[in-house]
Order: sequence, then C-alpha cells, then structure tokens
Amino acid sequence: DQQVKQNSPSLSVQEGRISILNCDYTNSMFDYFLWYKKYPAEGPTFLISISSIKDKNEDGRFTVFLNKSAKHLSLHIVPSQPGDSAVYFCAACMDSNYQLIWGAGTKLIIKP
Amino acid sequence: ETGVTQTPRHLVMGMTNKKSLKCEQHLGHNAMYWYKQSAKKPLELMFVYSLEERVENNSVPSRFSPECPNSSHLFLHLHTLQPEDSALYLCASSQDSDRYRSSYNEQFFGPGTRLTVL
Repeated sequence: DQQVKQNSPSLSVQEGRISILNCDYTNSMFDYFLWYKKYPAEGPTFLISISSIKDKNEDGRFTVFLNKSAKHLSLHIVPSQPGDSAVYFCAACMDSNYQLIWGAGTKLIIKP
Repeated sequence: ETGVTQTPRHLVMGMTNKKSLKCEQHLGHNAMYWYKQSAKKPLELMFVYSLEERVENNSVPSRFSPECPNSSHLFLHLHTLQPEDSALYLCASSQDSDRYRSSYNEQFFGPGTRLTVL
C-alpha cells in the first residue's frame, strides 16, 4: 500500500500560468515533506521542502502548501516556464528514519 | 568531476551474467544510497550506508550485493538477475549531521544506470 500518492501521472499547463501538483499521504507520523524534480537522463534534484509543523513554505516561484487534516500537500509553480517541464516527485519521511517514502511522480508539461 | 557520478549509464546483461554498478560522490558527504526506479513506480530505497556502515536494508534480494569501500564510493554487485530487475538504478548521497535526521538532509542524486536484463 502506497503511503505517498501522486494521483496525476501527467499535467499540462500553459506557459505563464500556475502549475499545481498534488500529493496525498496516509501516514500521519510523517514529519517532513519534500519535492524533487527530475529531467530525463538525470537524477532527481531537490526543489523545496516543508516541515509538518508548518503549512506553507515559499522559495521564489515555488510554494508548497501542507494540509495536515486532509493529509495533502501541493506544489505551486507560478509563473510556469518551459524549463519547469519535468517529472516532479513528492517524498515524505519521519524524524527517526532514514527512509524517504516516494510518490510515483507527476510529469509536468509546460506548453509555449 | 562534480556531484554524484554513476557508471555505466546503460547496461544490458543476461540472467547468468555478473556485473557491477559504480557510484562516486565528490561532495564530501558521509552517507550514500542505492535506489531502484521501475517505470511509473515510486523510487524504492535498496541500501543506505552511513560512515561506510550499512544501516538499512529493505529486504532486497541477495542477487543485489552492495559494497561501500569508503565514504566516496558505492558499488552494487549484480548476479543472476531476473528480467523484472530491469529498471533505473539511482545512487544518492547526503551529509548526515545527526544519525536520526539523515532523511531531513537533502539527497543529491546521480544520473542513474539504466539496466536491462534479458
């Protein structure tokens, strides 16, 4: 049973508009959530994270929102740029564990 | 070389072959990881080494054998693999400031080895 789910395999957004990527989780013990971005033929690169004690973290065009009651987080990218086209992975972890639990990824396509 | 490098980038092997994947990190980190990524599935953590000692093994089949000779190098030895082992194998590293907070630390990934088992 997947503890971290990204239910949209792909998302297409017009350049300049907002991209919203969603992630749901089942384990209320997760302490930390992370977003990674992956281009083809490259490994994932860290994008942004949020602690479970916060509900929002912003870094430039990227904002992550956490709704603990709904066990849901989302990544907002605004404005979307062509270079944002990539696969985005949501991951979660607990304070006492090395293991990052990953979602299956969402492929974001930014249309010019 | 900078960051995390992996060789080879692509590997095709038969089920009776023995091969090894190599990972090297140039970031001065003290923890290294092997992940498996199958198509349209989440990344699966296979092995973690912190300070050259294996600290996590997620019930990976014995046909995968990791080796960490020092903090900069990590190997994954492969033997008698099955076609379902075909996947992208990713190596990552991080700096552990606290053994129990490793997961908080950003993990830096290599480009991966695309493995095909015939």
